[in-house]
Amino acid sequence: GNSVTQMEGPVTLSEEAFLTINCTYTATGYPSLFWYVQYPGEGLQLLLKATKADDKGSNKGFEATYRKETTSFHLEKGSVQVSDSAVYFCALSTTGNQFYFGTGTSLTVIP
Amino acid sequence: DTAVSQTPKYLVTQMGNDKSIKCEQNLGHDTMYWYKQDSKKFLKIMFSYNNKELIINETVPNRFSPKSPDKAHLNLHINSLELGDSAVYFCASSQTPGHRNQPQHFGDGTRLSIL
Repeated sequence: GNSVTQMEGPVTLSEEAFLTINCTYTATGYPSLFWYVQYPGEGLQLLLKATKADDKGSNKGFEATYRKETTSFHLEKGSVQVSDSAVYFCALSTTGNQFYFGTGTSLTVIP
Repeated sequence: DTAVSQTPKYLVTQMGNDKSIKCEQNLGHDTMYWYKQDSKKFLKIMFSYNNKELIINETVPNRFSPKSPDKAHLNLHINSLELGDSAVYFCASSQTPGHRNQPQHFGDGTRLSIL
């Protein structure tokens, strides 16, 4: 079956620290992979995506590379800011556009 | 110019009541979804409609009934509300199924609290 596993949070970092949030997936076929971000009191917003192996998605300083050999899509940012505090969701989409979300990782960045 | 809009944003009501949540999207998408997010932020798909036709119906109590009058609207009616229904409900939309690289676009959520 299809599923997404994310590292458990919460994660607390100091401003300007390096961020990694791990995400691995199980899927039949060739899924597309996404990272969504949810700021407090808001809905999920698409952060970045990758649609095939070795693709790198990037946005707002965040990056993630679609690694088929390790079935991973880890989210990274070189220097986090207080404004990056949010919940981050890894997701995959299969044929038929059914989405599978991870459990979310809460990030708090302290000044 | 909100892409996916839900109303109301907050809903506080008594156990046993019946309530509805409305969702509209102006993105021209064919598919709409309802998700439930619990207090631990876990996101669970409830329903999905494509062009007014139900295509995903997860294990959800039959007190929950979605209705799609047209492809731009997907409403959620809940009968006999229970304490466990307290959660944030999100509406989302995406392009036609089969386009697996199309992201979903989410509304801001409806925060339902049962007293």
